[in-house]
Amino acid sequence: NAGVTQTPKFQVLKTGQSMTLQCAQDMNHEYMSWYRQDPGMGLRLIHYSVGAGITDQGEVPNGYNVSRSTTEDFPLRLLSAAPSQTSVYFCASSQGTSGKETQYFGPGTRLLVL
Amino acid sequence: GENVEQHPSTLSVQEGDSAVIKCTYSDSASNYFPWYKQELGKGPQLIIDIRSNVGEKKDQRIAVTLNKTAKHFSLHITETQPEDSAVYFCAASTGAGRRALTFGSGTRLQVQP
Repeated sequence: NAGVTQTPKFQVLKTGQSMTLQCAQDMNHEYMSWYRQDPGMGLRLIHYSVGAGITDQGEVPNGYNVSRSTTEDFPLRLLSAAPSQTSVYFCASSQGTSGKETQYFGPGTRLLVL
Repeated sequence: GENVEQHPSTLSVQEGDSAVIKCTYSDSASNYFPWYKQELGKGPQLIIDIRSNVGEKKDQRIAVTLNKTAKHFSLHITETQPEDSAVYFCAASTGAGRRALTFGSGTRLQVQP
């Protein structure tokens, strides 16, 4: 049982490039989400999904797209990277969809946009 | 939306001392308050949570208290150990709307041996 996995661990992009951050979980969790972590700002919700085929915006969705074609996978796409998107990105999942269940976080992807 | 403020941003204690981290929230509808610990290079991990129908919850050296009237909650760590050194995040959720957690800005706890 691997839990929540994220790839890559580290990525450097140039401004304007696009990329996809991968997230997968093997716990059959319905709820998955993406957060970004910036110094002094805690974790901010980017997008979330309450099940396959259902996604919605979080607090800071601009510049990011998501899709949920399967229960296991929840990729995050940066369409045109900007320096402001330099951050550490965490994917999380939970068994329930109420927002009051334990969130299981992946190890994170550190992204640097030059 | 919900706003969670967390203090202090950094905390240094001697091994064996107690540590207290405080959070306030703005949405009176919030009813679930977890605390997450993040070790260096890892994702956050739940250490304890409390729901609004109780005022205090303990788990060995860790306790959380909740004051719904004042809209604040606190994490208490007793007999601190070097392995308690980490970043701690509080969070709040109403379980409605986005059905997601709103996190505080984090507290870096350093336990000096």
